[in-house]
Formats: sequence, structure tokens, C-alpha cells
Amino acid sequence: AQSVAQPEDQVNVAEGNPLTVKCTYSVSGNPYLFWYVQYPNRGLQFLLKYITGDNLVKGSYGFEAEFNKSQTSFHLKKPSALVSDSALYFCAVSIPEGTYKYIFGTGTRLKVLA
Amino acid sequence: ETGVTQTPRHLVMGMTNKKSLKCEQHLGHNAMYWYKQSAKKPLELMFVYNFKEQTENNSVPSRFSPECPNSSHLFLHLHTLQPEDSALYLCASSQQRTGSYEQYFGPGTRLTVT
Repeated sequence: AQSVAQPEDQVNVAEGNPLTVKCTYSVSGNPYLFWYVQYPNRGLQFLLKYITGDNLVKGSYGFEAEFNKSQTSFHLKKPSALVSDSALYFCAVSIPEGTYKYIFGTGTRLKVLA
Repeated sequence: ETGVTQTPRHLVMGMTNKKSLKCEQHLGHNAMYWYKQSAKKPLELMFVYNFKEQTENNSVPSRFSPECPNSSHLFLHLHTLQPEDSALYLCASSQQRTGSYEQYFGPGTRLTVT
């Protein structure tokens, strides 16, 4: 079965420290990969995506993600966390072949401590 | 903010009621989606419309009935719901349904079924 895993329900990091939110996937073919963020009482907001090319993708608010095909991972990173980064983060994949399908992970709550 | 609006933002309904959720996108996108977001579960794709045609129905119970009169508007008609249908219902749109385009989400409708 095709799936996306976010192994950590919650990640705590001190403000100013680097952060990583993990995502691994198990899908056939060559998926497109996305990260979204959700703030309280809001819908999901697009952060960045990997389609092809450079494995390191830069996105909004200083976030970046590294695509690793051999490890089927797409971890989200930021060099220096801000308290305002505290939110729920979702990894998603879409399958470009045939009928498209978006699959989301269960989400990781990031808490940045002042 | 994202160009996708949803009304109402909150809805409480009894199991015998009939209500509708509305979504409107102001982005000129061709594809629109309904998702269900429940706590501790992955985001569940319910329906997809591409150029007003329904292209995906993820085994959603018939008590949920979508309607897409044009590329800018999407409705979710609800009737005889169950308490387990209580969740956040998110609408999203994207430029195309090819899978390489990010989705833009509305703020959601928090539905409580009593």
C-alpha cells in the first residue's frame, strides 16, 4: 500500500536551534513531494515542493527540504527555529502516473520553545 | 488569505438535519477538492473535481454529496450524518490535477454532529 509516514507526533526545539521534521514515503513510481503547514484554526498552507532536479528545495519562511531517493525521505529543515514556526506540519506525495492521488502524512506538531 | 474561502466556519447539526458547506476559490484554478481532517488521522481525500467533472470519489458514504456548478465553486451537501462525521472539512484548489501543482486550502468548516 502506498503511504507517507511522519514518525514523530511532536518535535520540540529551542528557539534559534536547527529543526528537522521527518518524512518518509512508500509509493510506486516517481512521486512529487510537498510540505504544508497548518496554524490553529487555519487550512493547510503550502511551504515547498520537489518535482525534479536539485535534491535540496528551498521554500517559504526559510524552510528547506532534502529529497533522498535511496532512503525515500523528504525531511523538512530550518537552520534557526522561531517561536512563530510552532504549528502542525504535513508531508504529502502525489503520484504523477495515471489517475493522480495525493497522500498526506498524519502530521507532526512542531513546538519551538523560547 | 489563500484565495479559497469556506462557509460556514462552524456548523453544529443533528443527525436528521440537511446542511451544505460552500467553498469558493478566487485563483482561477481548474481543480477543486474536499478533504476530511480528523484528529490523529491522515488527511482524507473525499472528492476531486477537474473542470467541474468529478474525477475521484474515495469511497465516501452517500450521506455526503458534492456539487461543482463551475470551476470556482464547490459544495458539500450533508444529510443524515453520524457523530463520527464530526471533523474539520477542508476545501482546496489547484491549477490542474496533474499532481505537480500545490494545493491551496481554505480555512475549513468545523462540523459537529450531535
